[in-house]
Amino acid sequence: DAKTTQPPSMDCAEGRAANLPCNHSTISGNEYVYWYRQIHSQGPQYIIHGLKNNETNEMASLIITEDRKSSTLILPHATLRDTAVYYCIVREDNYGQNFVFGPGTRLSVLP
Amino acid sequence: DADVTQTPRNRITKTGKRIMLECSQTKGHDRMYWYRQDPGLGLRLIYYSFDVKDINKGEISDGYSVSRQAQAKFSLSLESAIPNQTALYFCATSDPSTGGNEKLFFGSGTQLSVL
Repeated sequence: DAKTTQPPSMDCAEGRAANLPCNHSTISGNEYVYWYRQIHSQGPQYIIHGLKNNETNEMASLIITEDRKSSTLILPHATLRDTAVYYCIVREDNYGQNFVFGPGTRLSVLP
Repeated sequence: DADVTQTPRNRITKTGKRIMLECSQTKGHDRMYWYRQDPGLGLRLIYYSFDVKDINKGEISDGYSVSRQAQAKFSLSLESAIPNQTALYFCATSDPSTGGNEKLFFGSGTQLSVL
């Protein structure tokens, strides 16, 4: 079972920041938080991941709370092409740990 | 060219037929995976392979088998297809040598319809 909880859907206005929450209250100390997205029926695409610190790359920012029980993916200036299903995954970095996908959040960016 | 290639992209078959979905990769990754996605749901793991000699069942392996012919090739077989195996199938790879930076790379998917 997925170890994360996400809202099933969200809307965001084009050009505004999209903030996608994820709850992972049972996360353990050596589990990473990963975000992937799936546009229409394409293969999921890696966005960003982190362990404790906030992370930023060319696609998004990841904010992890100090107790690590929740995180937020931020798309700073959402475009119509960011409409997708976003998956939050927690995964331990050791042999045998797989990526478990839940249903994710369907983000609709509106014009 | 795609790094993870799945063939065919679409397949329609009849109940009881044996079919094979193929996946090849040029990324040089040791780990390969097969996932299944049903409409409106997340991806579920069918089988995974951490190297050529390693095959492991995932969450939903019943009715499926796999073969890891080489580091670059991982095929999924349905011995006797049934309608509830109609789904979108994804192959993925990852590189464990990256440690905490291990990421999945997905193919474009195979849409399978069993009539």
